[in-house]
Amino acid sequence: ETGVTQTPRHLVMGMTNKKSLKCEQHLGHNAMYWYKQSAKKPLELMFVYNFKEQTENNSVPSRFSPECPNSSHLFLHLHTLQPEDSALYLCASSHLGQINYGYTFGSGTRLTVV
Amino acid sequence: DQQVKQNSPSLSVQEGRISILNCDYTNSMFDYFLWYKKYPAEGPTFLISISSIKDKNEDGRFTVFLNKSAKHLSLHIVPSQPGDSAVYFCAASAGNNDMRFGAGTRLTVKP
Repeated sequence: ETGVTQTPRHLVMGMTNKKSLKCEQHLGHNAMYWYKQSAKKPLELMFVYNFKEQTENNSVPSRFSPECPNSSHLFLHLHTLQPEDSALYLCASSHLGQINYGYTFGSGTRLTVV
Repeated sequence: DQQVKQNSPSLSVQEGRISILNCDYTNSMFDYFLWYKKYPAEGPTFLISISSIKDKNEDGRFTVFLNKSAKHLSLHIVPSQPGDSAVYFCAASAGNNDMRFGAGTRLTVKP
């Protein structure tokens, strides 16, 4: 148990579907993140939330829509995705100002768009 | 724009020997550097970090070295164990919570 829980672990969706990824942290952290990991590529930062306010949107297409209702929960709403969006989506959390302790990651959602 | 680069996609080492994983960066504003380890079907796990004001940080079998003039850091694992076999990610931050990652190096430690 890493303290950051992501559901579902695997998701297969069609290009016209709407789905949501969920992330929950029980660590008392005040920052949460979405990262995308494609095969053989660096982790790509997608969104950053500090105290449930979005502070970074790293040029992510609008078919990805994040939501952070409180500092413990983070969602990524997906709609009309493309096959190239297939990847591992990782959620992470941290304490602001404590970068030396790194981020705590969830196990990820393996997304396949068909 | 890949600001953190791990040029070796894989490394194979014999058990008991030293593993050296390398990382280069381009952004001179980075002031914290971190290493993460990732097993299959799990998220990355934080391993060790180093501030830009230091050139070495050690934690048990793991030591991170930072060469700011060369914009290079390395992770040394000694002695290497089969359980160390994983993908290792280098990451860097410029004092905010925008952390940039390398593409990872797959380490295999052979018994």
